[in-house]
Amino acid sequence: KAGVTQTPRYLIKTRGQQVTLSCSPISGHRSVSWYQQTPGQGLQFLFEYFSETQRNKGNFPGRFSGRQFSNSRSEMNVSTLELGDSALYLCASSFNGPTNTGELFFGEGSRLTVL
Amino acid sequence: GEDVEQSLFLSVREGDSSVINCTYTDSSSTYLYWYKQEPGAGLQLLTYIFSNMDMKQDQRLTVLLNKKDKHLSLRIADTQTGDSAIYFCAFPISGGYNKLIFGAGTRLAVHP
Repeated sequence: KAGVTQTPRYLIKTRGQQVTLSCSPISGHRSVSWYQQTPGQGLQFLFEYFSETQRNKGNFPGRFSGRQFSNSRSEMNVSTLELGDSALYLCASSFNGPTNTGELFFGEGSRLTVL
Repeated sequence: GEDVEQSLFLSVREGDSSVINCTYTDSSSTYLYWYKQEPGAGLQLLTYIFSNMDMKQDQRLTVLLNKKDKHLSLRIADTQTGDSAIYFCAFPISGGYNKLIFGAGTRLAVHP
């Protein structure tokens, strides 16, 4: 079974630009979560989608948005990039079935550098 | 709100046991997790413990949960150089399965 796939793996943007990151969950997983990882703030929850609906949202400004498609693939978008948005963005998928232990399967991340 | 604390660094000799500690302020979650992150990689679930358990053993890994003291620990027996990584404890926020709060991570360095 293929794991969680994130694209692109690395990207460099300049301040003010926008970026879209993509995540393909494990086949059969309907929940996709996004996390931001930085040296200063650690791992922080961005949002979670289930069956195309945002179920949970973290404490990030409106510049951070996401969506999920009918095939469970998800994208997140960051507009008007700031230097502080430089981070590793991690996507995780979860089965969320009746025997769910809450395990999240993480992708390898998209490393965004804002210059 | 919920908060999780971990010590940042741990250095051990190959073959020794490693113990990584985690304290939390509040958790009503069913499961508590330990994740591992190797350089340049995402997070991998190492093990988890059900909240009504005190201990769980999984090969070289032993998880201890002290709910009274809000303390979670991960013991790695016979630590190997391949165990060098960052280890995170995590648990769900507000009862949600997929919204996790993570500790800052403990960087484990294993030396010969």
